[in-house]
Amino acid sequence: QVQLQGSGPGLVKASQTLSLTCTVSGASISSGDSSWNWIRQSPGKGLEWIGYIYSTGSTHYNPSLKSRVTISRDTSKNLFSLKLTSVTAADTAVYYCAREAEDVTYYYYYMDVWDKGTTVTVSS
Amino acid sequence: EIVMTQSPATLSVPPGERATLSCRSSHSVFSHLAWYQQKPGQAPRLLIYGASTRATGIPARFSGSGSGTEFTLTISSLQSEDFAVYYCQQFNNWPRTFGQGTKVEIK
Repeated sequence: QVQLQGSGPGLVKASQTLSLTCTVSGASISSGDSSWNWIRQSPGKGLEWIGYIYSTGSTHYNPSLKSRVTISRDTSKNLFSLKLTSVTAADTAVYYCAREAEDVTYYYYYMDVWDKGTTVTVSS
Repeated sequence: EIVMTQSPATLSVPPGERATLSCRSSHSVFSHLAWYQQKPGQAPRLLIYGASTRATGIPARFSGSGSGTEFTLTISSLQSEDFAVYYCQQFNNWPRTFGQGTKVEIK
């Protein structure tokens, strides 16, 4: 079955760049109709969608974070990555990677596979 | 951006009773809505998509209904493992947005 495993530093200094990686097994990130997403969860803002990279390599970001976010991929390693620049304490959160898939019969979408989450703390 | 509003924030229900959770969107999302369950220290788990379709392996006591801007998740007879936080998420527009969650606790 499809599994996602997120990884990256748990502590990032303010003003620096947060970098996380999500390794996918059981599916290819460069084929099919799935998009590969980053979502974060903090006590203050709840669940917040950050952005995705599609199987074609196209990306889409949340406008609230767009100026600071880059999602990229390494198809040879079947992984995708998140970079968030100029972090502040407000970026402290649990970061999840997740697959968004499609019910091709009715064109309904859903996030059906998530990793366990990576806790990232921004320190001053 | 579509704003998702869930109510109530907390729902206290005895085991074996029915729980009814609500989710409202600021604009119509048609039936492009999913529900998730989250337990402490875990990632969200998909329960319902397309407003009413149970995901693979989800027990029949979970059901979803609604369309447009008003949605409901019903748990027909609460089991001990159902006490958790529940979120709705819309898939009609980007950015994808979530409700703030409803905590279902034991009464």
